[in-house]
Amino acid sequence: AQSVTQLDSQVPVFEEAPVELRCNYSSSVSVYLFWYVQYPNQGLQLLLKYLSGSTLVKGINGFEAEFNKSQTSFHLRKPSVHISDTAEYFCAVREETSGSRLTFGEGTQLTVNP
Amino acid sequence: DAGITQSPRHKVTETGTPVTLRCHQTENHRYMYWYRQDPGHGLRLIHYSYGVKDTDKGEVSDGYSVSRSKTEDFLLTLESATSSQTSVYFCAISALSEQFFGPGTRLTVL
Repeated sequence: AQSVTQLDSQVPVFEEAPVELRCNYSSSVSVYLFWYVQYPNQGLQLLLKYLSGSTLVKGINGFEAEFNKSQTSFHLRKPSVHISDTAEYFCAVREETSGSRLTFGEGTQLTVNP
Repeated sequence: DAGITQSPRHKVTETGTPVTLRCHQTENHRYMYWYRQDPGHGLRLIHYSYGVKDTDKGEVSDGYSVSRSKTEDFLLTLESATSSQTSVYFCAISALSEQFFGPGTRLTVL
């Protein structure tokens, strides 16, 4: 069965600094990978997804992620963060054989300070 | 916006009472899901549906039941609410190889 680990529960950074949110997964079959963002008191919104093709995926709001199959990782990066990026970020994985079911990581709270 | 609404948005109830949460979609998607969100656990799948009257259990299904009598509605029922079911509940649909989420229902069981 698949599992997802987000290595940092909280990441504080200063505005305009770069950030990386780490995600590792475990699966014995091919996977699809997702990053979602949740702003306070809201639902989840898709940031980006990897289904196939280029391992570097670009998403909304200047975020990107790189799929590394050998390291079973899908880390999220942004070169320069804004105060408005403060939110909780969730990594999720879907196995090719599990239909459309997603397994989520525990979440990483990104706090951008002025 | 995938046309997903949840009702109620907030509910406070007492231990032992039944509670039903409703998820409504407007775009005829086949797959629908119920998750609960708790600090430190991310989102965990409770139940999902792959069509009218077709449902299956997720990883945390104990104490919950679901029903889907029409495509647009997916109901989650807590037969006898417990304090451990205090959580935020999200409904989702699957479309275009991703899931779209509703706004959530905050449930407090006293």
